[in-house]
Amino acid sequence: DSGVTQTPKHLITATGQRVTLRCSPRSGDLSVYWYQQSLDQGLQFLIQYYNGEERAKGNILERFSAQQFPDLHSELNLSSLELGDSALYFCASSVDTRGYTFGSGTRLTVV
Amino acid sequence: AQSVTQPDIHITVSEGASLELRCNYSYGATPYLFWYVQSPGQGLQLLLKYFSGDTLVQGIKGFEAEFKRSQSSFNLRKPSVHWSDAAEYFCAVGASNDYKLSFGAGTTVTVRA
Repeated sequence: DSGVTQTPKHLITATGQRVTLRCSPRSGDLSVYWYQQSLDQGLQFLIQYYNGEERAKGNILERFSAQQFPDLHSELNLSSLELGDSALYFCASSVDTRGYTFGSGTRLTVV
Repeated sequence: AQSVTQPDIHITVSEGASLELRCNYSYGATPYLFWYVQSPGQGLQLLLKYFSGDTLVQGIKGFEAEFKRSQSSFNLRKPSVHWSDAAEYFCAVGASNDYKLSFGAGTTVTVRA
């Protein structure tokens, strides 16, 4: 157990739908990161939050959004889902710049 | 902006043989360097990291990596692989003033009996 908790582990949904992925960071970590992993794109950085505020943005689609709550857990919202959004979505957390701890991921399948 | 290249997409090695995975990075200042391993269906686990000091770093599971500034490389090695080392390995680069890590495309390691 890495200490980073992601739920759900698996999600199957239809095109056009909206889903929410949840992440609880490791105790004491203020930063949360979201990554998308797909076969053709590899690990793509989506977004980072630090203590509730957006810190950095990567290749995140406008249909996707995220937030970090006062208790530091984070949610990634994916809307108007397309088949190409099927991927593994990872959350990671860190206390500083010296590396991340990853969760086990949420596998999203859009049908 | 930093970037990472892992030249080998797939490596096959015999159990008990040595393993070396290549990683080249591009970054203007002194980078923070990392190796992560991902087993099928799992998250990424940190194997080792380099920030400064001794350029040969030891990690978990018997892995080590050497930072070579002149070659912009951070290659991962293991003297004798076990079947359980079959996984995908990712090199990543970061910086002291940047929380974001940039990952390479990964190298898949297959271990044959």
